[in-house]
Amino acid sequence: GAVVSQHPSWVICKSGTSVKIECRSLDFQATTMFWYRQFPKQSLMLMATSNEGSKATYEQGVEKDKFLINHASLTLSTLTVTSAHPEDSSFYICSARPPSPGGKNIQYFGAGTRLSVL
Amino acid sequence: AQSVTQPDIHITVSEGASLELRCNYSYGATPYLFWYVQSPGQGLQLLLKYFSGDTLVQGIKGFEAEFKRSQSSFNLRKPSVHWSDAAEYFCALTGTASKLTFGTGTRLQVTL
Repeated sequence: GAVVSQHPSWVICKSGTSVKIECRSLDFQATTMFWYRQFPKQSLMLMATSNEGSKATYEQGVEKDKFLINHASLTLSTLTVTSAHPEDSSFYICSARPPSPGGKNIQYFGAGTRLSVL
Repeated sequence: AQSVTQPDIHITVSEGASLELRCNYSYGATPYLFWYVQSPGQGLQLLLKYFSGDTLVQGIKGFEAEFKRSQSSFNLRKPSVHWSDAAEYFCALTGTASKLTFGTGTRLQVTL
C-alpha cells in the first residue's frame, strides 16, 4: 500500500513553454500533498504544501505564479511550471500524506520528474 | 526551529560489513523521525520511522535505527551491507506540523 505515482518521469521542453506534472496517490486518499525540488547531489527543498480544495501554501522564495499547484481531488495534485526557463531545470518530487492520526505525518513519495528546459 | 544534521556526506563500506549512518536533530519536543533511501533518479522510499515507544525500530531491507533522546540522535544501522544498498540516505524530522525537514543526505558506496 501507500503508492504514489508521479508522471511524467522525464520531460524536455523549450524555454517559455509550460509543463504540468501530476502526482497521484493510488491506494489512499491524501488530504495533503507536498512538492519538493532537488538539485543535483543535494537534499530536498520543500516548495509548497497542497491541501485538497484549498490554495497551496508556498515556502518563502518560491514564486507561486511560476509554480502553479492544483489539488482538485483527494488523489491528485498537479504542479505546472509556467514559462519555463533553463534555471527551472531540476528534479521535482511529490509526496502524499494520508490523513492523521493514522497517517502520523508519514509522507510517501513519488518517483520524481526530471525537467530539462532547453 | 527544527533541523537535521547528517555529518557524513559520503561513506564507503565493503559488502558484508556493518553500516552506521549518523543523524542528529534539533527539536523542542519529541520529534517524529524517519529514514528514507533514494536510488539514483528515483523518489524516496521510507525505510523506517520512530514516533514513540521502543527506541529501537526495525525497518525494511534489514535496517534498524535507534532513537537516543539524550544525544538527539537517530542513527541508522545494518549488520551486513549488500551491494544493492548503495544509494543516498536521508534522515528527516517532523513535529506537530506536517512539514518534513531533511538532512543533507549521506551517499553510501558499497565496494565488492
